Amino acid sequence: EAQVTQNPRYLITVTGKKLTVTCSQNMNHEYMSWYRQDPGLGLRQIYYSMNVEVTDKGDVPEGYKVSRKEKRNFPLILESPSPNQTSLYFCASSSPGPGASYEQYFGPGTRLTVT
Amino acid sequence: GQNIDQPTEMTATEGAIVQINCTYQTSGFNGLFWYQQHAGEAPTFLSYNVLDGLEEKGRFSSFLSRSKGYSYLLLKELQMKDSASYLCAIGAGSYQLTFGKGTKLSVIP
Repeated sequence: EAQVTQNPRYLITVTGKKLTVTCSQNMNHEYMSWYRQDPGLGLRQIYYSMNVEVTDKGDVPEGYKVSRKEKRNFPLILESPSPNQTSLYFCASSSPGPGASYEQYFGPGTRLTVT
Repeated sequence: GQNIDQPTEMTATEGAIVQINCTYQTSGFNGLFWYQQHAGEAPTFLSYNVLDGLEEKGRFSSFLSRSKGYSYLLLKELQMKDSASYLCAIGAGSYQLTFGKGTKLSVIP
C-alpha cells in the first residue's frame, strides 16, 4: 500500500531535550516536505527536499533541522525543543503527475507537546 | 510571496449545495489545489486546477479564474461526512504548496 508513515504519532517532551520525528514514503517520490499546523494559522511549511542531499528552508524553519540521506526518508530534528514548537506536524511527499499536477500525499501526523 | 484568503467557517444543510471560495495573490503559479481535512487527520487531495474553468469529480467540482485570482470548491448533495476543513493551496515553484488557513464546514441535519 502506497503510504507516508511518521513516528512517533504522539510525543510529550521537555524543553531542551533533542528529538527526531521520522518520515518514510514507499512511493519513490522525489519531493518531501514537513509542515506544522496550528489553530488559526493553517499549514505552514518548515523544510522541503527536492531529492537526496537537496534540502531547503520553508516559511518557518527556525529551531528545526532536516536531512535527506535516502530517497525514502526525511527525518525532522528538533535540537533543543521549546514550548512554541508544540504543534501538529505533517510529513508529505509528491512526484510530478499528469499535466504537471503534483498531488502531495500526507503522513498521519505527529502531535508534539513540549513542556 | 503568496496570500490566500478563504472563509474561516461555513455551515450548510445535509443534501444542499455549498460553495467555498478562495482568493489568492501570488508571484508564481503552477496550479491550485483543494484538500479535505477531517479533524485530527491528515489532509487528503480533492482537486487540481491549472487552467481556467470547471473540473468536476463526482459530487465535488472546482473552478479557477487565473485572471481574477479566484477559485471555488462546490460540494453537491452534502452528507454529514463532508463536515471537515477544506484547504485551498497554491502551487508555485518546484512542487511547493502554500496553504490557506482553511474553511471549516459544518453540515447539519
